[in-house]
Amino acid sequence: GAGVSQTPSNKVTEKGKYVELRCDPISGHTALYWYRQSLGQGPEFLIYFQGTGAADDSGLPNDRFFAVRPEGSVSTLKIQRTERGDSAVYLCASSPTGFSGNTIYFGEGSWLTVV
Amino acid sequence: KQEVTQIPAALSVPEGENLVLNCSFTDSAIYNLQWFRQDPGKGLTSLLLIQSSQREQTSGRLNASLDKSSGRSTLYIAASQPGDSATYLCAVSSGNQFYFGTGTSLTVIP
Repeated sequence: GAGVSQTPSNKVTEKGKYVELRCDPISGHTALYWYRQSLGQGPEFLIYFQGTGAADDSGLPNDRFFAVRPEGSVSTLKIQRTERGDSAVYLCASSPTGFSGNTIYFGEGSWLTVV
Repeated sequence: KQEVTQIPAALSVPEGENLVLNCSFTDSAIYNLQWFRQDPGKGLTSLLLIQSSQREQTSGRLNASLDKSSGRSTLYIAASQPGDSATYLCAVSSGNQFYFGTGTSLTVIP
């Protein structure tokens, strides 16, 4: 596609439920990033993929969070046993290569609300 | 850990005024610095990318400077317009990550 696509755009879920958020990066981009942004804050790094592998998952807050990118394109961020503190916008970005000198392109985000 | 600070947190100016947004970072070992714009409820749009070896970049009414040794960048917006109203975020790349500031919320009053 022309840009980074994220689905769903909005998700309301009950505390304790399981949630999946999907990211479809720009075609051909090998690097993919997940960030989380709370209200009034800047985005915080969660995980970085280079191809199919998670090159850096140091930003995942705990073991309830997991992400995959099995074919090196689409990625899914999975959150188990959701908590109210997980409410935020989850942003996905992609970049042509893993070189940090490239511009990164963000999607519109998935707005998650845990009630 | 890299820390990015943006000042001011909010800014309100009359249309036509020139303005400067500030960004500072604690670790000068960066690959690049990017300025982004974020509209309410939207994702981030890249405005300017400055590589670590560069001093400035210009795009239209926007000019961004980088002083890596002092850990500072500025975004200069000339002849501001109401359509410039948004939150402006700077991000520096270190290692595998882009580290973001908390943004400057800009309002341009017609």
